[in-house]
Amino acid sequence: QITLKESGPTLVKPTQTLTLTCALSGFSLSTNGVAVGWIRQPPGKALEWLGVIYSYDDKRYSPSLKTRLTITKDTSRNLVVLTMTNMDPADTATYYCARRQEGAYNYWGQGILVTVSS
Amino acid sequence: DIVMTQSPDSLAVSLGERATVNCKSSQSLLYASNNKTYLAWYQQKAGQPPRLLVYWASTRESGVPDRFSGSGSGTDFTLTINGLQAEDVAVYYCQQYYTSPTFGQGTNVEIK
Repeated sequence: QITLKESGPTLVKPTQTLTLTCALSGFSLSTNGVAVGWIRQPPGKALEWLGVIYSYDDKRYSPSLKTRLTITKDTSRNLVVLTMTNMDPADTATYYCARRQEGAYNYWGQGILVTVSS
Repeated sequence: DIVMTQSPDSLAVSLGERATVNCKSSQSLLYASNNKTYLAWYQQKAGQPPRLLVYWASTRESGVPDRFSGSGSGTDFTLTINGLQAEDVAVYYCQQYYTSPTFGQGTNVEIK
């Protein structure tokens, strides 16, 4: 059974760096062709793609956010980590990790609501 | 960025009737070298993560009821729900993955 689970802080202060972890189960990022992405959703708003990391360690980021984002993986622990710097109240959102297959995202975590407030 | 625009923003349909959600991209999503169209549809129920319904514009994801179908080509796409059920109440999103992925603004489908 494939599952993904996000974890991390639910409250961060403006200008701080956010670090979120996505724990993978039922599949491995060491398998060729596998990819995991991050998508966020501000309350009541649409989905926004943040970035993706592939099994061969290639990474792609949203052009509008790429200066603030870093995605890494720990294959031995089957984890994917998202780091976003210089957090702002506008970054308040539910952050999802999801498995990418055939270009689309077919398995999603439940998401974690991150609030940016002083 | 490719801009995805959905219409309508909200839609009320009677149980058992057809619901149609439209999505338009600012450029073609057809990749000529493999003849594939880089578009997906998702369903998001309240308080839940999105669920993939359709990819490659018209390929239904495993386990998705066959009342859901995707169609279209180039820049204009449609998600059709034939015989709306109560459990289909949700927000539906289109997403392109031709380039850096972008989503539409969502269409809220409810029961009339």
